Amino acid sequence: DSGVTQTPKHLITATGQRVTLRCSPRSGDLSVYWYQQSLDQGLQFLIHYYNGEERAKGNILERFSAQQFPDLHSELNLSSLELGDSALYFCASSPGGARNTQYFGPGTRLTVL
Amino acid sequence: GQQVMQIPQYQHVQEGEDFTTYCNSSTTLSNIQWYKQRPGGHPVFLIQLVKSGEVKKQKRLTFQFGEAKKNSSLHITATQTTDVGTYFCAGDTGGFKTIFGAGTRLFVKA
Repeated sequence: DSGVTQTPKHLITATGQRVTLRCSPRSGDLSVYWYQQSLDQGLQFLIHYYNGEERAKGNILERFSAQQFPDLHSELNLSSLELGDSALYFCASSPGGARNTQYFGPGTRLTVL
Repeated sequence: GQQVMQIPQYQHVQEGEDFTTYCNSSTTLSNIQWYKQRPGGHPVFLIQLVKSGEVKKQKRLTFQFGEAKKNSSLHITATQTTDVGTYFCAGDTGGFKTIFGAGTRLFVKA
């Protein structure tokens, strides 16, 4: 158990809908990262937050947005969902700063029908 | 843009054979990390290398960081079926972005 929690575990929704994925980092970690992993693919970096501030952006679509709250949990919002958005979404946390080892949560499996 | 290339994409081995995966970065890295993802699981941190030419061992796993800090390798001696999974390298360029390689998926036949 990495100490990172993600909810929900599974999510099934329809095209055009909007969903919110939630992540709670390990206790004390200030950084939160979001990744998308399509079937049997690598990890696509989406976005990184550090202590509430956006620090780096990857290949995140404009339909996707994220935020990190004062209690350090983070949410990833996906809107106008398309079939191609079906994937595993991982959240990872790290202490932040120079200590960047990432601890991954179990992931949320999103299925768009 | 900055890239971390990882090869091979797939590797099939017979149990007991050795396995190596390689990572190459287009830019100098401040450190490199290795992760393992079991089928159906999430990536799990294995190790971080920081120094030029660094070599670290974990039982049957040997990790190397190149002298120029642009490449790295993971070598598994005498693979076992428990080694099955995808191995990712992740390079830190000193900014706030860690770049993951595409991963090498290891299949081990008993």
